[in-house]
Amino acid sequence: DTGVSQNPRHKITKRGQNVTFRCDPISEHNRLYWYRQTLGQGPEFLTYFQNEAQLEKSRLLSDRFSAERPKGSFSTLEIQRTEQGDSAMYLCASKEGNEKLFFGSGTQLSVL
Amino acid sequence: AQSVSQHNHHVILSEAASLELGCNYSYGGTVNLFWYVQYPGQHLQLLLKYFSGDPLVKGIKGFEAEFIKSKFSFNLRKPSVQWSDTAEYFCAVTGFQKLVFGTGTRLLVSP
Repeated sequence: DTGVSQNPRHKITKRGQNVTFRCDPISEHNRLYWYRQTLGQGPEFLTYFQNEAQLEKSRLLSDRFSAERPKGSFSTLEIQRTEQGDSAMYLCASKEGNEKLFFGSGTQLSVL
Repeated sequence: AQSVSQHNHHVILSEAASLELGCNYSYGGTVNLFWYVQYPGQHLQLLLKYFSGDPLVKGIKGFEAEFIKSKFSFNLRKPSVQWSDTAEYFCAVTGFQKLVFGTGTRLLVSP
């Protein structure tokens, strides 16, 4: 257990539905990252926060994706109007300063 | 923008064989380099990292990697693999805050 907690572990949804994932980072970590991983690929960067500020968003992140970290602690990633191409493992990671990145176990999303 | 290239997508070895996984990166500035491992059904774990200093870095479980700046490479090595090293290995680079991963190498070690 790395200390980064993600919920749910698995999510199955129908195309067009909205989904929301939650990430609880290690408590003293000020940076929080979201990545997406599909089969046969490495994790792709989506966005990251320093405290509550969202400092960078990937061009991969369409307008249907939104992430928040309202109090600088947990974060949520919402996908609106899901598409089959959104099916992937969504990974959250956190770190403090230049220390190493700790990953959670991910949320596996399947869009039917 | 930084990018990472891993040349071997699948590697199959017998136990006790030596391992070398290639990683090349592209980034114009000062880089930090990492190797992560993902065992079946588990989360990503850091194997080793290079920030500065000795270009030969040693990590956990007998792994090491060598940073060769002139070749933009950071290859992972292990002299003698074990069945328990079966996993997916990702090379990653960070320049400005975010980690960029390669596509990964799936290693299968047969007993």
